[in-house]
Amino acid sequence: QKEVEQNSGPLSVPEGAIASLNCTYSDRVSQSFFWYRQYSGKSPELIMSIYSNGDKEDGRFTAQLNKASQYVSLLIRDSQPSDSATYLCAVYNRGSQGNLIFGKGTKLSVKP
Amino acid sequence: EADIYQTPRYLVIGTGKKITLECSQTMGHDKMYWYQQDPGMELHLIHYSYGVNSTEKGDLSSESTVSRIRTEHFPLTLESARPSHTSQYLCASSDPSSGGDEQYFGPGTRLTVT
Repeated sequence: QKEVEQNSGPLSVPEGAIASLNCTYSDRVSQSFFWYRQYSGKSPELIMSIYSNGDKEDGRFTAQLNKASQYVSLLIRDSQPSDSATYLCAVYNRGSQGNLIFGKGTKLSVKP
Repeated sequence: EADIYQTPRYLVIGTGKKITLECSQTMGHDKMYWYQQDPGMELHLIHYSYGVNSTEKGDLSSESTVSRIRTEHFPLTLESARPSHTSQYLCASSDPSSGGDEQYFGPGTRLTVT
């Protein structure tokens, strides 16, 4: 069974620190990887996508992918209280009827 | 920018009523999805569609039904609402034909069945 695993948290970091969110996946042939941010009571919002090994940076966010280790992470630099949310890791491979497999999410709390 | 809409945003309804949750997208995406999510819990895929006249059941068994008569429209219907249907329902779409695997979500409908 294809799985995406995340630490449920909560992960608490002080304002201005780097928050590191991790995700592992079981299906080696997974092709695309996404991070969504979901505020309490709201819908998920796509914040990062990554398709190849290495780092991808977008503003304060950096996604890291290591396909050999089946590991994807999200770094948030200079964390702000407004970053407090649940972060969902999602993995795509064409063998899952072309659907994303979502992790259960990691709750991040940034303390002022 | 994703343009996907859901109505109503909030609905409180009595047991036994028939309800339809609306979802529309203006992006021309072929694939659409319905998820159910309880507060603080994980997303559960309940239905999806590859395109017009296509409907598939998701990973979580659901008493709801869906239809896809037009590309842009993917309504979800509960024939007889029960308190166990109380949840948030999220609609999403994606564009596999252009290589887009990512999904874009609507704002959600929060359903309460009394």
